[in-house]
Amino acid sequence: DQQVKQNSPSLSVQEGRISILNCDYTNSMFDYFLWYKKYPAEGPTFLISISSIKDKNEDGRFTVFLNKSAKHLSLHIVPSQPGDSAVYFCAASPRISGAGSYQLTFGKGTKLSVIP
Amino acid sequence: DSGVTQTPKHLITATGQRVTLRCSPRSGDLSVYWYQQSLDQGLQFLIQYYNGEERAKGNILERFSAQQFPDLHSELNLSSLELGDSALYFCASSVAWVIDEQFFGPGTRLTVL
Repeated sequence: DQQVKQNSPSLSVQEGRISILNCDYTNSMFDYFLWYKKYPAEGPTFLISISSIKDKNEDGRFTVFLNKSAKHLSLHIVPSQPGDSAVYFCAASPRISGAGSYQLTFGKGTKLSVIP
Repeated sequence: DSGVTQTPKHLITATGQRVTLRCSPRSGDLSVYWYQQSLDQGLQFLIQYYNGEERAKGNILERFSAQQFPDLHSELNLSSLELGDSALYFCASSVAWVIDEQFFGPGTRLTVL
């Protein structure tokens, strides 16, 4: 049973436009969320995170939005650049609540292609 | 470059065999995590060590074991290998034992024939 779901396996966006990657979770104990980017033949790279006490976090071109009531988060990339083409993973954890677990639960990823 | 190193990069072996994957965390990081990524799957958390002690266990099979040594490097041992164990195995490290930004190594691709 997938606790973190990324329902779009792939997404294509024109350079300069906005990319929106979505993620849904089912475990109400999750209170800390991260996005990772992965290029082929490399390990995932941390991009941005958000805790449940916030509903938005920005870092340059990247913004993550969290809707706790809908158990949904999204990553916005504006403007999209060809170098953003990668697989994006959403991850979640019961960090603040503890719940005896310190592991990250990852989604299956969304492959973003930014077309020049 | 994340500062996390993993060896070997590729490993090809046969069913029933045993292999050891090695990970050196970033300088100063005390936590090491192991993940498995099978085809079309997300990263599955296997196990976490913090300063030599096992901290959390995920979906790790009994045929798999890990340890973290005094110099903080870690090894993941996979035994009685099956075809389904073919996957990318990632190691990650972080400073603390609570969930925070994790830095991933480039991975070891294991192929079981």
